[in-house]
Amino acid sequence: DSGVTQTPKHLITATGQRVTLRCSPRSGDLSVYWYQQSLDQGLQFLIQYYNGEERAKGNILERFSAQQFPDLHSELNLSSLELGDSALYFCASSAGTGEETQYFGPGTRLLVL
Amino acid sequence: AQKITQTQPGMFVQEKEAVTLDCTYDTSDPSYGLFWYKQPSSGEMIFLIYQGSYDQQNATEGRYSLNFQKARKSANLVISASQLGDSAMYFCAMNARGSTLGRLYFGRGTQLTVWP
Repeated sequence: DSGVTQTPKHLITATGQRVTLRCSPRSGDLSVYWYQQSLDQGLQFLIQYYNGEERAKGNILERFSAQQFPDLHSELNLSSLELGDSALYFCASSAGTGEETQYFGPGTRLLVL
Repeated sequence: AQKITQTQPGMFVQEKEAVTLDCTYDTSDPSYGLFWYKQPSSGEMIFLIYQGSYDQQNATEGRYSLNFQKARKSANLVISASQLGDSAMYFCAMNARGSTLGRLYFGRGTQLTVWP
């Protein structure tokens, strides 16, 4: 158990819908990262938050947004969902700004029908 | 940008034997970190081992060791005394200390199968 929690574990929804994925980092970690894993793209970095502020942005679509709250948990919002958004979404956390090891949560498996 | 290459889509090893999973990387940053993660069929990503670019010694963690050859830009994972539970997908990853600090770049992975 990495200490990073993610909910829900599985999510099935329809195209055009909006979903929210939730992540709680390990105790004491200030950075939260979101990654998307799909068969065609592999593991892709989406976005990083550090202590409530956006720190780095990767290949995140404009339909996707994220935030980190004062208690350091984070949410990833996916809207206007398309079939191609079906993937495994990971949250990871690390102690500082990014040099340290990132510990991953169990992931949320999203299926868009 | 950083790039990770894993050229072995699949590897097979007999139980109790050692196996090496290949990883090469490319970066122009002088300071970076190299990581290996394991992803079993259940889906979670498990951190295995870390090597910093300025570390003089190869990293070891139990049965895992990282064969770091800086000049060749390779960071191979060696698993000694393989166990059936080692069957999983293995990902090599890196982050650089420059403008992309924090972002992990992953290879496509190697599927390891351990047979009895």
